[in-house]
Amino acid sequence: AQRVTQPEKLLSVFKGAPVELKCNYSYSGSPELFWYVQYSRQRLQLLLRHISRESIKGFTADLNKGETSFHLKKPFAQEEDSAMYYCALSTNFGNEKLTFGTGTRLTIIP
Amino acid sequence: DAGVTQSPTHLIKTRGQQVTLRCSPKSGHDTVSWYQQALGQGPQFIFQYYEEEERQRGNFPDRFSGHQFPNYSSELNVNALLLGDSALYLCASSWTGGGTEAFFGQGTRLTVV
Repeated sequence: AQRVTQPEKLLSVFKGAPVELKCNYSYSGSPELFWYVQYSRQRLQLLLRHISRESIKGFTADLNKGETSFHLKKPFAQEEDSAMYYCALSTNFGNEKLTFGTGTRLTIIP
Repeated sequence: DAGVTQSPTHLIKTRGQQVTLRCSPKSGHDTVSWYQQALGQGPQFIFQYYEEEERQRGNFPDRFSGHQFPNYSSELNVNALLLGDSALYLCASSWTGGGTEAFFGQGTRLTVV
């Protein structure tokens, strides 16, 4: 069975400082990894997925199969980045059954 | 396009009762998945419907059942409600053609008393 671990429930970072939200996974095959974000009073939405290799809102995430990690990074935090972030895994490309981590609440301190 | 819509937004039920939650997928999407999100937890997969059939199921008891209609909308039914069923229930839709993003609804907050 697959599992996603986000070790930090809460993370506070000063505006302009670098941000890193950690995500580790366990799955014996080749997973597809995602980061979802939920801003205050908004629905859960996709931030980025590893196969697209895009940078969204300045965030990037690299899949490290050796360390089974998919950490989310941003070099300079902005106040609008304050939100709940969920790392998620899918075991079947195109099949959107997702296994989520417990989430990290990111607060950007002005 | 209103995206994924769920109804009702909030619901209070008594232990032992039955509840039905509804979901309309985003236009063009044919697959609907349901998730349960307990307080302080990430969403947990309940099941997925495609072509009016349950395609996958998570680790939830048979008290949780669903249905998908020809217009791709879906219902989640929970029988014999327990206090532990209190949670936010999320619906997500996607297109089964592959590689597409799952769009989530705002959720239905179910409280069992």
